[in-house]
Amino acid sequence: AQTVTQSQPEMSVQEAETVTLSCTYDTSENNYYLFWYKQPPSRQMILVIRQEAYKQQNATENRFSVNFQKAAKSFSLKISDSQLGDTAMYFCAFMKPYGGSQGNLIFGKGTKLSVKP
Amino acid sequence: ETGVTQSPTHLIKTRGQQVTLRCSSQSGHNTVSWYQQALGQGPQFIFQYYREEENGRGNFPPRFSGLQFPNYSSELNVNALELDDSALYLCASSFPPGTSGGASETQYFGPGTRLLVL
Repeated sequence: AQTVTQSQPEMSVQEAETVTLSCTYDTSENNYYLFWYKQPPSRQMILVIRQEAYKQQNATENRFSVNFQKAAKSFSLKISDSQLGDTAMYFCAFMKPYGGSQGNLIFGKGTKLSVKP
Repeated sequence: ETGVTQSPTHLIKTRGQQVTLRCSSQSGHNTVSWYQQALGQGPQFIFQYYREEENGRGNFPPRFSGLQFPNYSSELNVNALELDDSALYLCASSFPPGTSGGASETQYFGPGTRLLVL
């Protein structure tokens, strides 16, 4: 069974600085998808970034980028130029491709990020 | 483009009662997944619906059931409510299984329904 581990329950960063959130996962699959979702106090889970395991290039979305290390089963999220609106719970998630899954995302327990002015 | 919507936003029930939660998928999506998120935890997969049938199920008892309608909207029904059912219930929609480029694996979430069982 796949598992996702986020070892940092809480983190804080000063506005405009850079922060990195860690995620490791365990799987025997070769092809899969990894995601970072953000959940602000409003509760809605918002997709931040997606990485396909078969792509060696790290995904980027504006101020958000990942460091995907397939051999190490590591998938960290870097937030550059942190903004107050980045304050939220961040969840790392794993999914096998269809044909090998039930269509379910497997989530870590989350990291609570606070951006301080 | 309309995002995923859920109703109601909050609900209070007593133990033993039944509840129905509703979800409308994002336009262009015909697959709906339901998750339960207990306080301080990551979401746990309940089940997924595609073509009005259950397409996959997590480790939840049969008193958790669902439906999907021809317009792709979905319901989650929970019978014989227990105190531990108190949680945020999230609905997510996606493109059909097998859609290329990771589109079917990418799920977009609604705002959730907060259920409190007393």
